[in-house]
Amino acid sequence: AQSVTQLDSHVSVSEGTPVLLRCNYSSSYSPSLFWYVQHPNKGLQLLLKYTSAATLVKGINGFEAEFKKSETSFHLTKPSAHMSDAAEYFCVVSEQSWTGGYNKLIFGAGTRLAVHP
Amino acid sequence: NAGVTQTPKFRILKIGQSMTLQCAQDMNHNYMYWYRQDPGMGLKLIYYSVGAGITDKGEVPNGYNVSRSTTEDFPLRLELAAPSQTSVYFCASSPQGRNTEAFFGQGTRLTVV
Repeated sequence: AQSVTQLDSHVSVSEGTPVLLRCNYSSSYSPSLFWYVQHPNKGLQLLLKYTSAATLVKGINGFEAEFKKSETSFHLTKPSAHMSDAAEYFCVVSEQSWTGGYNKLIFGAGTRLAVHP
Repeated sequence: NAGVTQTPKFRILKIGQSMTLQCAQDMNHNYMYWYRQDPGMGLKLIYYSVGAGITDKGEVPNGYNVSRSTTEDFPLRLELAAPSQTSVYFCASSPQGRNTEAFFGQGTRLTVV
């Protein structure tokens, strides 16, 4: 069964320091992986996605993630945090449901990122 | 380009009342979804639709109903509201095709008292 584990429920960093949000997945097939960001009282916005092309994926706002099949990980990083990065981040695995015909999205529980001045 | 639009943004219901959460998308996507988000739990799929006239249950369908009469609209109906349905509800849509990303609405915050 597919699953997504976000290893930290809360991460706190200082502005200008690196960000690391960790995600491990379990999937029977070759999955697609996504990171979404949710700012307070807002909808979810796609940060980046991996779909079996390059293993290092660059997204918006300076974020990137590396797909490591041997470690079943898809960690999200950013070299230098900004105050505006404070939000909730979701790691998502997607597989096409062969019975239902829809793209099944499995969400992690989320990681809340706090950025301090 | 509006994307996915949800109404209302906030609502308070009394136990036993009914309401419909509206969702509309203008991207001509075949797939549409309803999720609920509870604190610390990520998002759980309530219902989904792969096209007009076709809907099916997700992980947590009890207490909800949906319909899909057009490609654009996918309303979610709560018939007898219960406190357990207090949550934030998100509608999403995605293009047909393998592993395409979903586009989300702004959410509806529902409180049942």
